Amino acid sequence: SQTIHQWPATLVQPVGSPLSLECTVEGTSNPNLYWYRQAAGRGLQLLFYSVGIGQISSEVPQNLSASRPQDRQFILSSKKLLLSDSGFYLCAWSAALHPNYGYTFGSGTRLTVV
Amino acid sequence: DAKTTQPNSMESNEEEPVHLPCNHSTISGTDYIHWYRQLPSQGPEYVIHGLTSNVNNRMASLAIAEDRKSSTLILHRATLRDAAVYYCILRDVTGGGADGLTFGKGTHLIIQP
Repeated sequence: SQTIHQWPATLVQPVGSPLSLECTVEGTSNPNLYWYRQAAGRGLQLLFYSVGIGQISSEVPQNLSASRPQDRQFILSSKKLLLSDSGFYLCAWSAALHPNYGYTFGSGTRLTVV
Repeated sequence: DAKTTQPNSMESNEEEPVHLPCNHSTISGTDYIHWYRQLPSQGPEYVIHGLTSNVNNRMASLAIAEDRKSSTLILHRATLRDAAVYYCILRDVTGGGADGLTFGKGTHLIIQP
């Protein structure tokens, strides 16, 4: 069966420090991969999505970047964190480019920038 | 994606059925209706989806109006574990699905013991 792993579960980082969050999917090939962020008390905001290795689309301009070095690996990065980068970061995957398929989300990383 | 409208919050008693409404008056013929829920401090969880016909699975039922301008998520027997924010989301074929789900504010479901 397919599983999605996200780590770390929680992270406290100082302002100006770099960030690297990793997400991996098991049990499937060529998944569509997504990064979302949920700020405290706010809704889920799509940050990046990828339909294949090296293919990244950004939904909003920001202090973050994403990379997909392998088929089932999706990485969210920042060179210098801002206080406003605090939030709950979620990775998700979908099996196909069709809305008749559901999305599976990871357990999330709670990032606090201090 | 077409827009959906949901009540901000609803309250129900444990072991009773819950009907969560969603209005989507601008839905197109190719939009699928998806429901997800998010338990506290967790990622969203897929619940159910459909296009035109009513759908049932182990978690819930989805009732879709004949004109498709509204739908209702039905939890047949609510438990305390069903307390969550429920999101109704439309996904269309032309979008290809690659650009992810667009979440609104959802309905905060409160279950009273």
